[in-house]
Amino acid sequence: KNQVEQSPQSLIILEGKNCTLQCNYTVSPFSNLRWYKQDTGRGPVSLTIMTFSENTKSNGRYTATLDADTKQSSLHITASQLSDSASYICVVSGYGQNFVFGPGTRLSVLP
Amino acid sequence: EAGVVQSPRYKIIEKKQPVAFWCNPISGHNTLYWYRQNLGQGPELLIRYENEEAVDDSQLPKDRFSAERLKGVDSTLKIQPAELGDSAVYLCASSRGLAGETQYFGPGTRLLVL
Repeated sequence: KNQVEQSPQSLIILEGKNCTLQCNYTVSPFSNLRWYKQDTGRGPVSLTIMTFSENTKSNGRYTATLDADTKQSSLHITASQLSDSASYICVVSGYGQNFVFGPGTRLSVLP
Repeated sequence: EAGVVQSPRYKIIEKKQPVAFWCNPISGHNTLYWYRQNLGQGPELLIRYENEEAVDDSQLPKDRFSAERLKGVDSTLKIQPAELGDSAVYLCASSRGLAGETQYFGPGTRLLVL
């Protein structure tokens, strides 16, 4: 069964600190992996997308990594800001398949 | 460019009542998705349209849920009758339809069934 798992379920950090979110998946065959940010009361917004051949992708203070061999991805947030408080959702798609969403990690950045 | 538009943003109804949600995708996007998102969970696909054709409705509870996209643009999702367990956020997303294309999500409709 195609599944996406994320950890931790929730995370609280202080403003200015770094953090790393994890994503493990069993989707096969693999096409690409996305990280989305979902602010409270809003729809998810794409942060990064990586294909099989890519192992790192940056978008400002967000850096995603992908290990297609171990089927793991991480999202690293540098110098966190209050506006980073949101849910971060890992989404994996296979060829010709729909997207498989993870449950998300709820990040709270405190002043 | 306008994003995906959904209405209403919030809806409170009593159980057994009908409810409908409306979605206007980004102009030119052929693929439209309806998702349901329960609190603290990721979105779950209900139905996917390629233009006006529903190409994947395997997760749509067809006894009470229905959807249409008559002209391949706007779409409506209906629940009749609503149950308590239908309380959730209903998200609409669209994409250009090419393989692997990023989905763009609307703000969602938050439904509360009392």
